Formats: sequence, C-alpha cells, structure tokens
Amino acid sequence: AQTVTQSQPEMSVQEAETVTLSCTYDTSESDYYLFWYKQPPSRQMILVIRQEAYKQQNATENRFSVNFQKAAKSFSLKISDSQLGDAAMYFCAYTYNAGNMLTFGGGTRLMVKP
Amino acid sequence: DVKVTQSSRYLVKRTGEKVFLECVQDMDHENMFWYRQDPGLGLRLIYFSYDVKMKEKGDIPEGYSVSREKKERFSLILESASTNQTSMYLCASSLSPGTGNTEAFFGQGTRLTVV
Repeated sequence: AQTVTQSQPEMSVQEAETVTLSCTYDTSESDYYLFWYKQPPSRQMILVIRQEAYKQQNATENRFSVNFQKAAKSFSLKISDSQLGDAAMYFCAYTYNAGNMLTFGGGTRLMVKP
Repeated sequence: DVKVTQSSRYLVKRTGEKVFLECVQDMDHENMFWYRQDPGLGLRLIYFSYDVKMKEKGDIPEGYSVSREKKERFSLILESASTNQTSMYLCASSLSPGTGNTEAFFGQGTRLTVV
C-alpha cells in the first residue's frame, strides 16, 4: 500500500524568507503523480503544485517549487519570499492514476511571522 | 470555476442518530470522494464513486455508507452516529483517469460533532 509521510507537524518562517516542507512516500509504481495542497483557515483545499513522476524536471509555480527525488522517494515544497497569506496547513498527496483517489500525508502547519 | 458544495459547514448530532452529509459538484466529474480529516492523520479516504450507482470502499469505510443516485451528488451516511465519528469531512471530485487532468477539487468541509 502507498504511504505518504510528512515529518514536520509545524514549521515557522519569517515573512519574505524561504521555507522548505518535507514529504516522503512509498510506492511500488513507476509512474504516478504527486501534489501539494494548501488548506487555509477557510478550510478550502487548494492545489498548489503537481509533479508527474515521469518528468525529471521539477515543477514550479511562481513562488512555489518542488524538489522531486524519485530514487529517494522524496518530494519537498519550497516557498520563496513567504507571505502572510501562505500561512496554512500543507498536505502532500500521491496518486498512481490521474484523477483517482489521493493518499495524503499528515500535514504540516506553516506559520508566517511578520 | 469548478465548484464542490457541501450542504453544511457545521453539524451537531446525537449519538445513535442517522446523519446525512451531502455533496454536489457542478463540473460533470465522474469521480467523487469522501475523506475524513483528523489532526496528525491527514485526510483518509472513506468511500469513492467513479460513476452513478457505483461505489468503492476506501481505507476507513466502517460505520459509513454512501449513495450516488445522480452524477452530481454524492452523499455520505452515518447509519448510527458515534462520538468517534466526530471529525471534519471533505468531499472531492475529479475527472476520470485517462483524461490527463489530475486535479481533485474539494468542498469546504463539514465539521461534524457527535455528542
């Protein structure tokens, strides 16, 4: 069975600084998809970034980028120039089949200090 | 914009009550999901459905059932609510595998308290 682990229950970052959230996963599949979702206090889950395992290039979305290490089964999220609005729960998620059910990590609560 | 709407943001129910959580999506998605969110455990899949009247058990189906009579609506049913079902419930929808679109869209969640 697939598992996703986020080892940092809470992280803190100063506004305008950079922070990296960690995620590891376990799967026997060779092709799959990885995601980072953000859940602000409003509770609306928002997709931040996605990575297809067959792509070697790390995904980037504005201030958000990932470090995808397939052999190590690691998928970290880097947030640059942190803003107060980045404060939220962040969930790492995995699926082996596009559009199919997601397996989530336990989440990391990110606090941004002004 | 894709919209996934859950009928209630907050619910308080008594032990033993039958509870219905409703979810509606407006983008003609084939797949719909019910997750439960608990601190430190992330989101865990309760049930999912890939077509009308079809359902599959997820990781934690015990104590729950689902209904999908129409494509846009997916209901989660707690047959006899218990205090250990106090949690946040999230509904999601997505297109079928093979469409190339991998994104799941979520509702705003229902925080259920069973007393």
